[in-house]
Amino acid sequence: QKEVEQNSGPLSVPEGAIASLNCTYSDRGSQSFFWYRQYSGKSPELIMSIYSNGDKEDGRFTAQLNKASQYVSLLIRDSQPSDSATYLCAVNQGGGYNFNKFYFGSGTKLNVKP
Amino acid sequence: SAVISQKPSRDICQRGTSLTIQCQVDSQVTMMFWYRQQPGQSLTLIATANQGSEATYESGFVIDKFPISRPNLTFSTLTVSNMSPEDSSIYLCSARTSGVLSTGELFFGEGSRLTVL
Repeated sequence: QKEVEQNSGPLSVPEGAIASLNCTYSDRGSQSFFWYRQYSGKSPELIMSIYSNGDKEDGRFTAQLNKASQYVSLLIRDSQPSDSATYLCAVNQGGGYNFNKFYFGSGTKLNVKP
Repeated sequence: SAVISQKPSRDICQRGTSLTIQCQVDSQVTMMFWYRQQPGQSLTLIATANQGSEATYESGFVIDKFPISRPNLTFSTLTVSNMSPEDSSIYLCSARTSGVLSTGELFFGEGSRLTVL
C-alpha cells in the first residue's frame, strides 16, 4: 500500500471552474500536509501547507484536511490555463524517527482548458 | 522560505562516468535532502545530507553509488557514480526550514536533468 495516493488524472476543467484535487494517506500519525505544483520540466513549488483539520485559504487556493478520514484536498477556484500542471500531495509524519521524511503522491495532472 | 541553487541544470553523460551535482542554499537550514524523479514518476528520497557526517540513505540507495557531502549548513553535493542509462533522471536538492518562525516546509532546487547514453 502506498503511503500517499492520488488520482493520476488528467483532470480537465474549463477556465473559470473549480478544480478539486484529492489525496489520501495511510499513516494516521501524519502531522503535516503539503501541496506542490510542478510544471513540466520544472521542480516542485510549494503552494499550500496545512496542519489542522478544516480549511485553509490562500487566494484562489483552499486546502482541506480531514485527519479522521485521512484525506486532504486542494481546491482551485477560478481556474486559469496557467494552473495547468501536476499537483503533488506530500505528507510528513512530524515526529520520531521519520520527522524529516516526506512521502509524496504520484501527482494529479490538471488541464485547464481556455 | 529558502532559495536553492543547483548546478548543472542538465547534462548528458557517457555510461560508466560519474557526475557531481552541487546544491547551495541561501540561508542556513537544518536539513538537506536529495531526491530523484524519474520520467513520469513522483519523487523518491535518495538520502538525507547530514552536516559533518555521513549521509543517511533510504532503502535501495547506497553510498558507493550516490556519495553525498555536506561540509557546511548551506552546501551539499551528490555524485552519481558509474552511471548507466537507468540513472537518467532529474535529481533534486531540497531543504527543510527550521527555527521558531519556520513551518517546516520543504523547498526544492531547480533540479539537475541527467541523461546517460
